Amino acid sequence: DTGVSQDPRHKITKRGQNVTFRCDPISEHNRLYWYRQTLGQGPEFLTYFQNEAQLEKSRLLSDRFSAERPKGSFSTLEIQRTEQGDSAMYLCASSLLGGERETQYFGPGTRLLVL
Amino acid sequence: KNQVEQSPQSLIILEGKNCTLQCNYTVSPFSNLRWYKQDTGRGPVSLTIMTFSENTKSNGRYTATLDADTKQSSLHITASQLSDSASYICVVSSFPSGTYKYIFGTGTRLKVLA
Repeated sequence: DTGVSQDPRHKITKRGQNVTFRCDPISEHNRLYWYRQTLGQGPEFLTYFQNEAQLEKSRLLSDRFSAERPKGSFSTLEIQRTEQGDSAMYLCASSLLGGERETQYFGPGTRLLVL
Repeated sequence: KNQVEQSPQSLIILEGKNCTLQCNYTVSPFSNLRWYKQDTGRGPVSLTIMTFSENTKSNGRYTATLDADTKQSSLHITASQLSDSASYICVVSSFPSGTYKYIFGTGTRLKVLA
């Protein structure tokens, strides 16, 4: 257990439905990242926050995806009008801004299956 | 283009044997390199981190090396155990314009057999 939690751990939904995932980072960490990982691949960067500010978004993050971190603590990732191609593991990571040894701590992930 | 390539894609070894995983990168500017272990269905867990000036780092039976000149890293696992069965991911971080970027490899899937 790294101290980063994600909820739910698994989600099955029908195409076209909206889903929302939550990530609770390690409490003192000011950076929070979202990644998507498909089978046999490494994690792909989606977006990241420093405190409550969303500083960067990947081109992978289409208009159907939105992420928030309203108070600089927990974060949510919403996918609207899900598509079968959204099926993946969604990973959250947090880190404490700290120079070249900054280390990301990953949560257990939320596995999404879109039918 | 910033890339991290890992080899082999998958590896099967017998319990007790040693193995070495490779990571080649073309990332600039370079900040550090990490190796993560990811068990099936779980999030990655950090094993080692090396900055530009470090060329070896150990964590128990795991030893990582870094050659910043050739842009290569390796992860050596000694006396493998069944619990070492996992994916091992190499991640290079870059620090352009004050924003950290993490470039992930696709991982090596290791299976240790009894």
